[in-house]
Amino acid sequence: DIQMTQSPSFLSATVGDRVTINCKASQNINKYLNWYQQKLGEAPKRLIYNTNSLQTGIPSRFSGSGSGTDYTLTISSLQPEDVATYFCLQHNSGYTFGAGTKLELK
Amino acid sequence: QVQLKESGPGLVQPSETLSLTCTVSGFSLTSNSVHWVRQPPGKGLEWMGIIRSGGSTDYNSALKSRLSISRDTSKSQVFLKMNSLQTEDTAIYYCTRQWYYWGQGVMVTVSS
Repeated sequence: DIQMTQSPSFLSATVGDRVTINCKASQNINKYLNWYQQKLGEAPKRLIYNTNSLQTGIPSRFSGSGSGTDYTLTISSLQPEDVATYFCLQHNSGYTFGAGTKLELK
Repeated sequence: QVQLKESGPGLVQPSETLSLTCTVSGFSLTSNSVHWVRQPPGKGLEWMGIIRSGGSTDYNSALKSRLSISRDTSKSQVFLKMNSLQTEDTAIYYCTRQWYYWGQGVMVTVSS
């Protein structure tokens, strides 16, 4: 089974900051990597699919990159409404989530 | 529009069997796969299993011995059954289509 190591687990940042969240797979996942945002009490919302494709309706300050085993979600300019927990999901071989990154405002 | 809604008992006794239903609308189960995912309180997401458009299933290896997913296409419903429940199975259970459309989730507590 593929393991996903997500970092950091907790992140505190200021409005306007550039924020990056990382996921590392235990083997090559061929860019089959999605990113999700989950706010308290809500279902996950897909932000990015297949590494770098922005979901319709998601602000362009969210972007994804990566290849092989290493993937990154970037928020170019943090907004107050971005406070949430973020998860990655690999769907190359089976399905595995990262453990999550809780993003808060400093 | 596409909708998914989970339903089931909120409380299950330890060692008993959990039965959940995902009722979908706006799409056909014969053309789309549906996954089940769960999230223990305050923790991360865990993939449980999938039922594909053709009716085949795959399960998380950690749950395979206890888990069964089936469907009734005429009723647009997907079913999850998991036996031998323990307190660590307490979680919100979600169904999702294509990892984009999600249900609201149903909270299941395992407790005596």
